[in-house]
Amino acid sequence: AQKITQTQPGMFVQEKEAVTLDCTYDTSDPSYGLFWYKQPSSGEMIFLIYQGSYDQQNATEGRYSLNFQKARKSANLVISASQLGDSAMYFCAMTSDYKLSFGAGTTVTVRA
Amino acid sequence: EAEVAQSPRYKITEKSQAVAFWCDPISGHATLYWYRQILGQGPELLVQFQDESVVDDSQLPKDRFSAERLKGVDSTLKIQPAELGDSAMYLCASSTGTSGNGETQYFGPGTRLLVL
Repeated sequence: AQKITQTQPGMFVQEKEAVTLDCTYDTSDPSYGLFWYKQPSSGEMIFLIYQGSYDQQNATEGRYSLNFQKARKSANLVISASQLGDSAMYFCAMTSDYKLSFGAGTTVTVRA
Repeated sequence: EAEVAQSPRYKITEKSQAVAFWCDPISGHATLYWYRQILGQGPELLVQFQDESVVDDSQLPKDRFSAERLKGVDSTLKIQPAELGDSAMYLCASSTGTSGNGETQYFGPGTRLLVL
């Protein structure tokens, strides 16, 4: 069975600073995908970034980067230059055996 | 930009009543998913369609929940009768169905259900 662990229930970050959201995963499948989604208070899940288990380089998408450490089974999200609009819930997710499983999420609050 | 559409956005109902949610995936997406998200938790898959066929409904409470995607495009999720514990966000997502474990799912805005 696959499992996603997000140990930080909530985080505060100052505007324009970087923040790292932790995610560890557990799977016995050699092929899997790792995702981060953002969920604002309005409720929709917004896809942010993807990392494949065979990808050699860490994924980046604008201000988002994924710090993929395969041996440690971690896939931390780094948000650089935080903006007030980044305040939301962030979910780490993994696709293994073609099923997407989510962690419990981390709430990020950006302070002006 | 193509989006997943869902309606209604909010639904309040009394227990034992029937409710239905509608989802229209991104055009051309063969795979459609329904998730339930309880407040403070991550979404959990209820049912997955590939075109008009159900490929996974192992977590769907079939005594009260049903889902269909008759023409392989839009989909309806129904609950009858609704129970207090069904209060949650119901999210629909779609994907191309061609990328295996690299498949990115795109979500709609969700339907917030409150059962009184």
